[in-house]
Amino acid sequence: GQNIDQPTEMTATEGAIVQINCTYQTSGFNGLFWYQQHAGEAPTFLSYNVLDGLEEKGRFSSFLSRSKGYSYLLLKELQMKDSASYLCAVRDFLSGGYNKLIFGAGTRLAVHP
Amino acid sequence: ETGVTQTPRHLVMGMTNKKSLKCEQHLGHNAMYWYKQSAKKPLELMFVYSLEERVENNSVPSRFSPECPNSSHLFLHLHTLQPEDSALYLCASSQWDEQFFGPGTRLTVL
Repeated sequence: GQNIDQPTEMTATEGAIVQINCTYQTSGFNGLFWYQQHAGEAPTFLSYNVLDGLEEKGRFSSFLSRSKGYSYLLLKELQMKDSASYLCAVRDFLSGGYNKLIFGAGTRLAVHP
Repeated sequence: ETGVTQTPRHLVMGMTNKKSLKCEQHLGHNAMYWYKQSAKKPLELMFVYSLEERVENNSVPSRFSPECPNSSHLFLHLHTLQPEDSALYLCASSQWDEQFFGPGTRLTVL
């Protein structure tokens, strides 16, 4: 079956660092994506990992271990605007120019002063 | 602004109504997707169109009927829906890697 797990909710303090974990068990793997979704808005792309290791993009970094079926999103120097849901998604396959993503339920992050 | 627009943003309909959701992408992508997002549940893929051909239908009930008249437009026709169909319906498009999402239509079925 297809299963993606991430914590339901997390809280953190402004200026701090938070790590959001994601574990997956899927029949196929062709990369892992992280999206950010503010309430009532569209999910927006944050990062993409297909090889093991850390990808850094400003305040956000994402890590992947394919052998462990594990990824995390690291947010540094947290700001109030980072309060949002963070969606982990595994690309099951890529075929003919389209790709099939399997999403976790999302982690709702609340940043407080 | 992601380059993907959806109308209407909010829709309330009775179980006997017929309505349509519209999605338009201005990114020149060749794949378009419909997703359903319910509270505290993962995004569920409903349909995928690649080059205007339906390539994925994830066991979606026939009361949802997609249409892709060209590579920029995608519709979701709704009829005789149930209250449990109330959700946020998201459209997305892609060329290769990341998918770009529209803001969604918040649907309430009474």
